[in-house]
Amino acid sequence: GDSVTQMEGPVTLSEEAFLTINCTYTATGYPSLFWYVQYPGEGLQLLLKATKADDKGSNKGFEATYRKETTSFHLEKGSVQVSDSAVYFCALMGGSNYKLTFGKGTLLTVNP
Amino acid sequence: DTAVSQTPKYLVTQMGNDKSIKCEQNLGHDTMYWYKQDSKKFLKIMFSYNNKELIINETVPNRFSPKSPDKAHLNLHINSLELGDSAVYFCASSQGEGGYEQYFGPGTRLTVT
Repeated sequence: GDSVTQMEGPVTLSEEAFLTINCTYTATGYPSLFWYVQYPGEGLQLLLKATKADDKGSNKGFEATYRKETTSFHLEKGSVQVSDSAVYFCALMGGSNYKLTFGKGTLLTVNP
Repeated sequence: DTAVSQTPKYLVTQMGNDKSIKCEQNLGHDTMYWYKQDSKKFLKIMFSYNNKELIINETVPNRFSPKSPDKAHLNLHINSLELGDSAVYFCASSQGEGGYEQYFGPGTRLTVT
């Protein structure tokens, strides 16, 4: 079945550091890929998405590129802020079903 | 103007009780979902409804019963609560069944003692 593997963390960075959170997936067909963010005490918010190979999703300085050849969708940001501290979830929606399959989440803490 | 709302936000109850969690969305979406997030933050879909019809029913104990009285509401009823049911339950909605963005509610933290 579909699955998502992401680095579990926690990840602790200083403000303005470069961020990478790795995400790889296993799926049949051509899934859509997502990054969701969960701030403390809140629900999930969509951060960015990509629906086909080589698409780049971007939002709020975060980027991820859909790499079919490596089945990856790594999240990057060039300069993190304290306000980026949250749990980040990589997810996929399979081409043949309509459910989101999530990775286990990565806790990011950014220190001033 | 909350998009997806859930009540209650916190629910503390004893083993064996029956409880319900309510979800409403005012986005005009056709599809609604229930997810369970465990203590390690792992998220797993439980159910999905499209236009009041059940379309996804994961391996969930039949003590859990979703009910969708109309497109804007999807409630979750849980019978005979067990300790292992303690989790955060998230409701979500999307425009349709395809690769549409899902909008999540704030969650309901259920604690079974």
